[in-house]
Amino acid sequence: DADVTQTPRNRITKTGKRIMLECSQTKGHDRMYWYRQDPGLGLRLIYYSFDVKDINKGEISDGYSVSRQAQAKFSLSLESAIPNQTALYFCATSGPSGEQYFGPGTRLTVT
Amino acid sequence: AQSVAQPEDQVNVAEGNPLTVKCTYSVSGNPYLFWYVQYPNRGLQFLLKYITGDNLVKGSYGFEAEFNKSQTSFHLKKPSALVSDSALYFCAVRDRADSNYQLIWGAGTKLIIKP
Repeated sequence: DADVTQTPRNRITKTGKRIMLECSQTKGHDRMYWYRQDPGLGLRLIYYSFDVKDINKGEISDGYSVSRQAQAKFSLSLESAIPNQTALYFCATSGPSGEQYFGPGTRLTVT
Repeated sequence: AQSVAQPEDQVNVAEGNPLTVKCTYSVSGNPYLFWYVQYPNRGLQFLLKYITGDNLVKGSYGFEAEFNKSQTSFHLKKPSALVSDSALYFCAVRDRADSNYQLIWGAGTKLIIKP
């Protein structure tokens, strides 16, 4: 969806490096989410935010941090990347009924 | 515990035949229910949702889903499958009482439509 954009789309990094994934949305939604997707495991929630002052941990927040710079921007950081953080990462926003709208994803490989 | 089950990892259907992708759920309250589709190398796309009212919900690309409260199911259906329907399908549920708006996700079902 062009309404939710993610950068970069692909990233290869080395173990121990710090990396930031960025997400922007033009849907005007307050709620934003970061997920990771691994084959056979579906989507797992890393962090979510209701507004710039409200950040909440999800199911698998260890090793990750987030920043909500504005209503439209929500970034995910890996402080010290490790190989088992190799995954597909998605940002999403939430509409009034709870339906979520996803960005195109970032494929992250940690070597 | 709240959960969503998609009992089939993969569903194979011949083009032109009807398809069903199954989803059952367990939530403590009344649910909102959703289906999403993921095409290769793409993000998830919202297909349809059940909020209230008619148990049969129609969505994008000719898909529909039937909410069955007694069986706690929300199966995705399409009368006539297309090869282009081949993708990964996810069911998700939200408890209406959850102010966090968190979705609980199934593990996904790979749908393969054969010509």
